[in-house]
Amino acid sequence: GIQVEQSPPDLILQEGANSTLRCNFSDSVNNLQWFHQNPWGQLINLFYIPSGTKQNGRLSATTVATERYSLLYISSSQTTDSGVYFCAVGGGSNYKLTFGKGTLLTVNP
Amino acid sequence: DAGVIQSPRHEVTEMGQEVTLRCKPISGHNSLFWYRQTMMRGLELLIYFNNNVPIDDSGMPEDRFSAKMPNASFSTLKIQPSEPRDSAVYFCASTPGLNTEAFFGQGTRLTVV
Repeated sequence: GIQVEQSPPDLILQEGANSTLRCNFSDSVNNLQWFHQNPWGQLINLFYIPSGTKQNGRLSATTVATERYSLLYISSSQTTDSGVYFCAVGGGSNYKLTFGKGTLLTVNP
Repeated sequence: DAGVIQSPRHEVTEMGQEVTLRCKPISGHNSLFWYRQTMMRGLELLIYFNNNVPIDDSGMPEDRFSAKMPNASFSTLKIQPSEPRDSAVYFCASTPGLNTEAFFGQGTRLTVV
């Protein structure tokens, strides 16, 4: 099956800093999502982005499917951005989403 | 729309008891997924349905686990008998179709003592 690697595993920022999270995957995909799992455990949809670039407020994401990676950008980070960020991919005739291990982001005031 | 609804939110049960987790997908969504999250294994797919039919149950850990989707608006995941190693957060997700955006419920935190 598809392998998903996320980096870095942990990231500590001061409020206001910018960051880039990376997701590498081992095969072609036709589904890629970024999620934020907040401290209460909820999985919140950030982007559905199998290819291209999208922006939503302070967050943006880019997927370069031909090179098998996706990037999540967080600008002007806030303490409420803390949590775990997951990349999940799906490809081929296998419709399931395979999750990476996540990036644990801590934003300090 | 209320989103994907799971119940109960928390469940504590004794080893050997039967546990039933419930999920109501978003109306109009054709695919439903059950995931389990643990510290050791992360988020892993247990089973998914398309148009109420189980498509892939290769992630179901063993025969103690079973899942059903009797209609488009309801699914259950049953563990019988439960064991302490089944303790985890169980998520349900639904999508409008295959390879489309998935939306997750708030999860059921299961503790087996």
